[in-house]
Amino acid sequence: GQQVMQIPQYQHVQEGEDFTTYCNSSTTLSNIQWYKQRPGGHPVFLIQLVKSGEVKKQKRLTFQFGEAKKNSSLHITATQTTDVGTYFCAGEHNDYKLSFGAGTTVTVRA
Amino acid sequence: ETGVTQSPTHLIKTRGQQVTLRCSSQSGHNTVSWYQQALGQGPQFIFQYYREEENGRGNFPPRFSGLQFPNYSSELNVNALELDDSALYLCASRAYNEQFFGPGTRLTVL
Repeated sequence: GQQVMQIPQYQHVQEGEDFTTYCNSSTTLSNIQWYKQRPGGHPVFLIQLVKSGEVKKQKRLTFQFGEAKKNSSLHITATQTTDVGTYFCAGEHNDYKLSFGAGTTVTVRA
Repeated sequence: ETGVTQSPTHLIKTRGQQVTLRCSSQSGHNTVSWYQQALGQGPQFIFQYYREEENGRGNFPPRFSGLQFPNYSSELNVNALELDDSALYLCASRAYNEQFFGPGTRLTVL
């Protein structure tokens, strides 16, 4: 079946450092979306990438979509305590099914 | 605030019972999706409705069913509840390229 794998599962980061979370799909995606979920909260949409090789930036966050539209990454620079939470990628296929990865849970050491 | 509301916020049921969860989307959002999120995992796609018709379904048995109404509200019905159905149930409405999640209903099956 269609699966989206996400690594690492946990990321412990020193405040001010950078980190990257990676997402891989077993099949080609029509688009990929990224969400952030704070503890006890619900997923909040961050961005959608549609084009092969697309790169988008939101302040300290950089999102990439691979050339084959099977992988994606989220890179955060100069991590802050407000970045704490779980980051999910979600791949959408042409049949409207959205497959979420297991998420990367980020903790920040001050 | 996403403008997506869900009720109830918490619910406790016993095995074998039936449950109905409700979601109210933003006006104009014709697409609503339902997800099941077990503790520590990513949301799992249950199904999606567009203009009151189901147009996508994940790997969930037929005892998971839904309805979407003209007033942008929707329901998720689960029959013959099982212990493994205990989870956070999220609905999400879609506008263009962005998906808005509601706060979720926490279902516990005893």
